[in-house]
Amino acid sequence: QVQLQESGPGLVKPSQTLSLSCTVSGGSISSGSYFWSWIRQPAGKGLEWIGRFYTSGSTNYNPSLKSRVTISVDTSKNQLSLKLGSVTAADTAVYYCARGVYDSSGYNWFDPWGQGTLVTVSS
Amino acid sequence: DIQMTQSPSSLSASVGDRVTITCRASQSISNYLNWYQQKPGKAPKLLIYAASSLQSGVPSRYSGSGSGTDFTLTISSLQPEDFATYYCQQSYSTPMYTFGQGTKLEIK
Repeated sequence: QVQLQESGPGLVKPSQTLSLSCTVSGGSISSGSYFWSWIRQPAGKGLEWIGRFYTSGSTNYNPSLKSRVTISVDTSKNQLSLKLGSVTAADTAVYYCARGVYDSSGYNWFDPWGQGTLVTVSS
Repeated sequence: DIQMTQSPSSLSASVGDRVTITCRASQSISNYLNWYQQKPGKAPKLLIYAASSLQSGVPSRYSGSGSGTDFTLTISSLQPEDFATYYCQQSYSTPMYTFGQGTKLEIK
């Protein structure tokens, strides 16, 4: 059973870069038919998709964050990473990593999710 | 971007009630619609994918329906563990995914 676990600093200063990792256990991050996403949720608010890394090596980002985001994979560590630059208080949120699943008909969904990690942007 | 709008934003119901949550897309998304349940302090959990397919391990009291722009999530008989926030999510305009704003289901 695949499990995901986020890790990284819980506090980041404004204008700096937020860096998080997501360690995948119980399966290979290189497995086909999957993609790996970051999703965030400000306190008391809804979910915002940040971006994804597809097993082909391609990445896609939310246009609203694209200029500041980099998502990558380290297959040797079975880890997904997120870097978000020039952060402000508006980037304070719980950050989740999630596996994206495609089925044979092209439908896709997120399952499972990591437990999430709270990142606060403050000086 | 495709906007997803859920209604109601909050709902009070009793154990044993039948509950329906609605999700509307700003344009047709065929049946590329997923539903998640989120409990306080926890990650979202997949309930329904492709509008009506029940994820493995999810109780059969949950069901989803709809196509095009209008979708529903129905819980046939509420159980105490069902009180949570529910989100819809479109996967039509990949790779840009959007979620509804959530529906909080509370105990009456």
